[in-house]
Amino acid sequence: NAGVMQNPRHLVRRRGQEARLRCSPMKGHSHVYWYRQLPEEGLKFMVYLQKENIIDESGMPKERFSAEFPKEGPSILRIQQVVRGDSAAYFCASTGTLGETQYFGPGTRLLVL
Amino acid sequence: QKEVEQDPGPLSVPEGAIVSLNCTYSNSAFQYFMWYRQYSRKGPELLMYTYSSGNKEDGRFTAQVDKSSKYISLFIRDSQPSDSATYLCAMSAIGGGSNYKLTFGKGTLLTVNP
Repeated sequence: NAGVMQNPRHLVRRRGQEARLRCSPMKGHSHVYWYRQLPEEGLKFMVYLQKENIIDESGMPKERFSAEFPKEGPSILRIQQVVRGDSAAYFCASTGTLGETQYFGPGTRLLVL
Repeated sequence: QKEVEQDPGPLSVPEGAIVSLNCTYSNSAFQYFMWYRQYSRKGPELLMYTYSSGNKEDGRFTAQVDKSSKYISLFIRDSQPSDSATYLCAMSAIGGGSNYKLTFGKGTLLTVNP
């Protein structure tokens, strides 16, 4: 399967715990975008990363959220001290060097109890 | 005013109908326009991609972009029950550092009845 992979597909956390979401881009892709889809809302941009660089994090909440895309391994979106309002579907998308077409993964559905 | 407006529907049509979906936008910097299909609890799947104004056809799907009116459309011919999904319009400007972050409409829920 050469598509974008995300894991876990479902994640349940209690308030105050940490959530770590992983995204492996398509083979040959080195750019990753993260989006969040809240219930009854559209997809919202969070952060854009290239290998070892955060290019645009203008959509990330200022606190508790961080993202990385190391030289080796998947991109990780980390949410510290989760609150109920963080419950959402989180999608990553990857592109190659001609970045205008993005291919999405299946998403991670986070539920905060 | 939201950057991208899309009627959420729901839209229900009989099998074989022509479906018209559309979005309006306010940001004149948008140059790239996409339509994604999203089945329930799945990731968005890229259907059509258009750069700037014009039409693009792929099988039963036709995408149109009118930048002068800031209006984009997706037409589905001979609709099938398997087309039942949420359709998302998305667009981006040309960003620095190859940044093509997408701005999405809220999506239109389509049901095609057999």
